[in-house]
Amino acid sequence: NAGVMQNPRHLVRRRGQEARLRCSPMKGHSHVYWYRQLPEEGLKFMVYLQKENIIDESGMPKERFSAEFPKEGPSILRIQQVVRGDSAAYFCASSPQVGAPSSYEQYFGPGTRLTVT
Amino acid sequence: DAKTTQPPSMDCAEGRAANLPCNHSTISGNEYVYWYRQIHSQGPQYIIHGLKNNETNEMASLIITEDRKSSTLILPHATLRDTAVYYCIVRVPNYGGSQGNLIFGKGTKLSVKP
Repeated sequence: NAGVMQNPRHLVRRRGQEARLRCSPMKGHSHVYWYRQLPEEGLKFMVYLQKENIIDESGMPKERFSAEFPKEGPSILRIQQVVRGDSAAYFCASSPQVGAPSSYEQYFGPGTRLTVT
Repeated sequence: DAKTTQPPSMDCAEGRAANLPCNHSTISGNEYVYWYRQIHSQGPQYIIHGLKNNETNEMASLIITEDRKSSTLILPHATLRDTAVYYCIVRVPNYGGSQGNLIFGKGTKLSVKP
């Protein structure tokens, strides 16, 4: 069973360009979470999605950032008009359907390292 | 903000047990204690979780005090590959609402030395 997959692993964008980060959850997982880790800081929650629904986007910046998890295909985190402050590692995690304590673990991908020049 | 307090760093000799403490004095009755770790530049890795009973799996043991105000993660025979930042997180179960996210504090940087 493949783990959570993220691509690209490294992404370089110039200021003003768009960045698209992809996350394929583990097989059978229908919940996806995005976190951001700025250099030398801890992980911060951004958004929680189920298939075709955004459940909680309280950690997402109000402008330039959006996320989706379509019925088919990976989850996408999209950053428009990137700025230097967006440079960070972006981690995606997935979990199985909720409802039992054993399903609460979140399995993380290897991350995408975004560098804005 | 994180609801837990952990020492910023700890050292451990290779082959010895690593005991990582966590204080969560404001934990509520329905909150679980979770431990994750992040090895340098990698995604966080789930280790173990518990409610009130001690738990053990192939990676570690979790000891929770009777009053649930603190816990200890035990790596019984630490190896160099266990060098990582360890995060203690308390949270309610996720029943599909808005409680899905994990709140990471600063964690404990464990250095296992030969």
